[in-house]
Amino acid sequence: DADVTQTPRNRITKTGKRIMLECSQTKGHDRMYWYRQDPGLGLRLIYYSFDVKDINKGEISDGYSVSRQAQAKFSLSLESAIPNQTALYFCATSERGGSDTQYFGPGTRLTVL
Amino acid sequence: AQSVTQLDSQVPVFEEAPVELRCNYSSSVSVYLFWYVQYPNQGLQLLLKYLSGSTLVESINGFEAEFNKSQTSFHLRKPSVHISDTAEYFCAVSAANAGNMLTFGGGTRLMVKP
Repeated sequence: DADVTQTPRNRITKTGKRIMLECSQTKGHDRMYWYRQDPGLGLRLIYYSFDVKDINKGEISDGYSVSRQAQAKFSLSLESAIPNQTALYFCATSERGGSDTQYFGPGTRLTVL
Repeated sequence: AQSVTQLDSQVPVFEEAPVELRCNYSSSVSVYLFWYVQYPNQGLQLLLKYLSGSTLVESINGFEAEFNKSQTSFHLRKPSVHISDTAEYFCAVSAANAGNMLTFGGGTRLMVKP
C-alpha cells in the first residue's frame, strides 16, 4: 500500500462549489504539506502543518483552508472554487528536520469549470 | 527568501546520450538542495540531495549533481540516459534553518528519444 494517499484522484467541479481534497499517510510523520502544481511554475506551497495543533499558511493560501484531523490526515478545502484553481494538487509528508526528504502522494487533478 | 531557476523547460535528448539539467538558486543563508523526479501520472520522489560535505552527490540510478556555491548552481547530470528517464525534474532549495520549507523551480521535462 502507498505511504501517502490522496482522494479523489480526479475531480471536475463548477465555479462556486465547495471542494475537499483529502490526504492520509502511514509513515508516522508529524509534518504535512499541501502544494499545487501549475505548468512552468513548479510546485507552490499552500499550507503546512508541523503537528496537529500547528497549521501555517504557505505562499498561496488565499482561497484555501485546511484541517489536520489527526497526525495521519490533512485535508485541503476550496471554499468557493474558481477556474484559476484548476491545477494538480499534491500532499506531502516529512519527519522533523530541515534536511529531511518530503514524500509525496500521487496527486489530485482538479478542474473548475 | 529563496528562489530557484531551472533554465530549460524542456530538454530533448537521444537515448544513451549525456544530459545536463541546469538549476540556479538564490539565497542569503545556507541552503540544502534537492532534485525531485516526477514520472508520468505520479507524485514527486527524491532523486538526490546535498546537505553538506562532498559537493558531488549521486543517485542510485546514475544521476549526479554538483553543488557549486560560487556559481549558486546545482546542475543535474547523467552520462548516458535511458528511455525510462523520461520524466519531469524539479530542483528545490530549503534554508538550512527554515524547518524544511521547500522552494521549487519551474521544472524541466526530460524527453528521451530512441
